[in-house]
Amino acid sequence: GENVEQHPSTLSVQEGDSAVIKCTYSDSASNYFPWYKQELGKRPQLIIDIRSNVGEKKDQRIAVTLNKTAKHFSLHITETQPEDSAVYFCAASNSGGGADGLTFGKGTHLIIQP
Amino acid sequence: ETGVTQTPRHLVMGMTNKKSLKCEQHLGHNAMYWYKQSAKKPLELMFVYSLEERVENNSVPSRFSPECPNSSHLFLHLHTLQPEDSALYLCASSQDIMGDQPQHFGDGTRLSIL
Repeated sequence: GENVEQHPSTLSVQEGDSAVIKCTYSDSASNYFPWYKQELGKRPQLIIDIRSNVGEKKDQRIAVTLNKTAKHFSLHITETQPEDSAVYFCAASNSGGGADGLTFGKGTHLIIQP
Repeated sequence: ETGVTQTPRHLVMGMTNKKSLKCEQHLGHNAMYWYKQSAKKPLELMFVYSLEERVENNSVPSRFSPECPNSSHLFLHLHTLQPEDSALYLCASSQDIMGDQPQHFGDGTRLSIL
């Protein structure tokens, strides 16, 4: 089955700086890579996703890059703000779906220092 | 966002009790999922339902029993649980079971086993 590794487990950055979270996956058949943000006591919320037919996707301050050859993808947050503080999860799946569903990384606790 | 609603939000039960978790989605989705979220571990997929049919998943102990009476409702019946079952249980839904569909999560049920 798929295995997703996520690093770092904790990331502290100064407000206004950029944050980068990296994930690797093992199954070359995976072709869908979502990122979720989970604030304390709240549900995971999809913030951006990318499919394997593109290498980069951007939405305002958030961008995701995908390197299929190396089997890794990254989340980039620019001009970080206090409300960006949360736990971020990457995930991977293939379009076949089924019983495997999404395989998640362990999460990164992003702390924005004022 | 109230697309996926879970009740109760918190549950404390003894190891010999029987209780049920409820999930309801108002998004018109055809696939629903149960996940377990424990501290410092990735989200663990427990069960997958597609059009009310369970997709086989044999890695979950039988003390967890899912039920999907229709495409909008999903239950997780609990009996004789163990202390290690204390966790946040998240329900999610997606348009269909194909792996490249975004999943929408509920707020979860925080379960504590005494």
